[in-house]
Amino acid sequence: HVQLQQSGPGLVKPSQTLSLTCAISGDSVSSNSAAWNWIRQSPSRGLEWLGRTYYRSKWYNDYAVSVTSRITISADTSKNQLSLQVNSVTPEDTAVYYCARENGYSSGQYYFDYWGQGTLVTVSS
Amino acid sequence: EVVLTQSPATLSLSPGERATLSCRASQSVSTYLAWYQQKPGQAPRLLIYDASNRATGIPARFSGSGSGTDFTLTISSLEPEDFAVYYCQQRSYWLTFGGGTKVEIK
Repeated sequence: HVQLQQSGPGLVKPSQTLSLTCAISGDSVSSNSAAWNWIRQSPSRGLEWLGRTYYRSKWYNDYAVSVTSRITISADTSKNQLSLQVNSVTPEDTAVYYCARENGYSSGQYYFDYWGQGTLVTVSS
Repeated sequence: EVVLTQSPATLSLSPGERATLSCRASQSVSTYLAWYQQKPGQAPRLLIYDASNRATGIPARFSGSGSGTDFTLTISSLEPEDFAVYYCQQRSYWLTFGGGTKVEIK
């Protein structure tokens, strides 16, 4: 049974860096059949996919165009965890942040089958 | 970017009634569409993938249909635990979510 446990600060000051981690149990961040994602949710923007990392003989990253200049998603294989960094945050980055596993299905497409518990991050001075 | 438009925004129904939720894509996404259920304070839960396949453990009262740009999630007979917000998500071109439909108790 896959579990994703998120951790990180709930309050970040404007212009600083938001950092969250997602500890994975029941699967490997280096899995060749999964992808590991960050998604956020706010009343103004709804559910917004931020990006993913995945391993297919080497590491790959995909980022949403809206955040690509400010975001880094990485994997720590020694701790089996996923990390998110968002630089230069503004109040518009206030949201509930989720990590989520994308699993492959028979069509060859991937969908989110396991989610972390969510972390409310508020950007405020 | 593929925009997913969900309707109605709110659906007021009674337990035992049939719920029909719509998701329309701004361009064809083939059948690469999923539906999720979200309850307050919880993460979304995968219900349907590839437009019409139920995810593991999802009751048979949930069904999905559609292809191209028009998709439907049907709940055949609402149970008390089904009152929640439902989102569609496409994976055909990058990844986007719809704005959600809230199914509330009438």
